[in-house]
Amino acid sequence: DAGVIQSPRHEVTEMGQEVTLRCKPISGHNSLFWYRQTMMRGLELLIYFNNNVPIDDSGMPEDRFSAKMPNASFSTLKIQPSEPRDSAVYFCASSFGGGNQPQHFGDGTRLSIL
Amino acid sequence: GDSVTQMEGPVTLSEEACLTINCTYTATGYPSLFWYVQYPGEGLQLLLKATKADDKGSNKGFEATYRKETTSFHLEKGSVQVSDSAVYFCALYYSGGYQKVTFGTGTKLQVIP
Repeated sequence: DAGVIQSPRHEVTEMGQEVTLRCKPISGHNSLFWYRQTMMRGLELLIYFNNNVPIDDSGMPEDRFSAKMPNASFSTLKIQPSEPRDSAVYFCASSFGGGNQPQHFGDGTRLSIL
Repeated sequence: GDSVTQMEGPVTLSEEACLTINCTYTATGYPSLFWYVQYPGEGLQLLLKATKADDKGSNKGFEATYRKETTSFHLEKGSVQVSDSAVYFCALYYSGGYQKVTFGTGTKLQVIP
């Protein structure tokens, strides 16, 4: 079975550019999570969706970040304009059912802003 | 609010040594507890879980027991292998949180031959 699929795996771009990260959750999962991981701050939850509806976006660092989930099989995380401090690994995860069910993570997008 | 505290790393062990990674939590009610593992270049994956007090989760030789009296969920393995080198995250879920999981900061384990 296919797991959570993220694209691209690596992204290098110059500051000021728009960056779009993509995620395809596991089919049938009804919750989707975006995380950011850095050495300094560890794993941070940015936003999560339940049944395609954003439930909590309090982890989104600032207005330059936005996330959408237009349908159950696709989500995007957009940074515009990007800054060097946005450099990190961004993970998408999905889960289904009650909270006792595990989150399934993608392999992440390694983002470098020059 | 809910929180998870795990021991700082890195932890360096020789192959076949015993491992304990401490994890304590603060939560209202009765959360479910998890250990996730992250191998280099990969996302996190579930290692084991326990959903109520005194439950023991186990997988791949790792074990952890849900201790409500000490609010702890320590990860243990009797004999580590080089392939166990990874970052380990303790996490909790509290019902009613739309499946939102609170993660610890992670503990890096390095096993040397």
